[in-house]
Amino acid sequence: DAGVIQSPRHEVTEMGQEVTLRCKLISGHNSLFWYRQTMMRGLELLIYFNNNVPIDDSGMPEDRFSAKMPNASFSTLKIQPSEPRDSAVYFCAMRGTRGSGANVLTFGAGSRLTVL
Amino acid sequence: QQQVKQSPQSLIVQKGGISIINCAYENTAFDYFPWYQQFPGKGPALLIAIRPDVSEKKEGRFTISFNKSAKQFSLHIMDSQPGDSATYFCAALSSNTGKLIFGQGTTLQVKP
Repeated sequence: DAGVIQSPRHEVTEMGQEVTLRCKLISGHNSLFWYRQTMMRGLELLIYFNNNVPIDDSGMPEDRFSAKMPNASFSTLKIQPSEPRDSAVYFCAMRGTRGSGANVLTFGAGSRLTVL
Repeated sequence: QQQVKQSPQSLIVQKGGISIINCAYENTAFDYFPWYQQFPGKGPALLIAIRPDVSEKKEGRFTISFNKSAKQFSLHIMDSQPGDSATYFCAALSSNTGKLIFGQGTTLQVKP
């Protein structure tokens, strides 16, 4: 996960507050994915970008969630307002660029969100 | 939508034993089937992967068996070690869409 840096690693907030999760790619890649992991639902794909453009956001739970990728090295996932059911570990992942690596996702270490 | 179903949810194996995790998929457009391994506090990492034109792939103690007609694939861990204790996810990718869909995960515990 050295190529994908997520922040914050842990966040505890109160219901109704805005949460912004960040993902920095050490070397820019044209594909970036946001996943959410919970015990009940496993790893869910929320949204993915290709060439900084959102390709599929069908996994975004509701309008409270939004994601941006302003450049090839940075993305944010925002939840506003947050709710206790949003508590989960959120992962950012980048996709390899060539050959067999093009199918491999490299994940960050995740951001653990707790909404009280 | 549960496009990739994984079982069992948890597995306990003695050191030296064989760990077997099974997955089934529905979408015939999937053309790449990786397994990811996740340790506590870390993101998932690619372990081994297979394409549907191959029935088996082996890397060290890890083997994927693939049955295209049944739309099933499995991970076998031979000579399981305590260091293999982790959560394992099967996944399926469609190159057309670029979406990687994960199974629910299996928590493996290998007892010394």
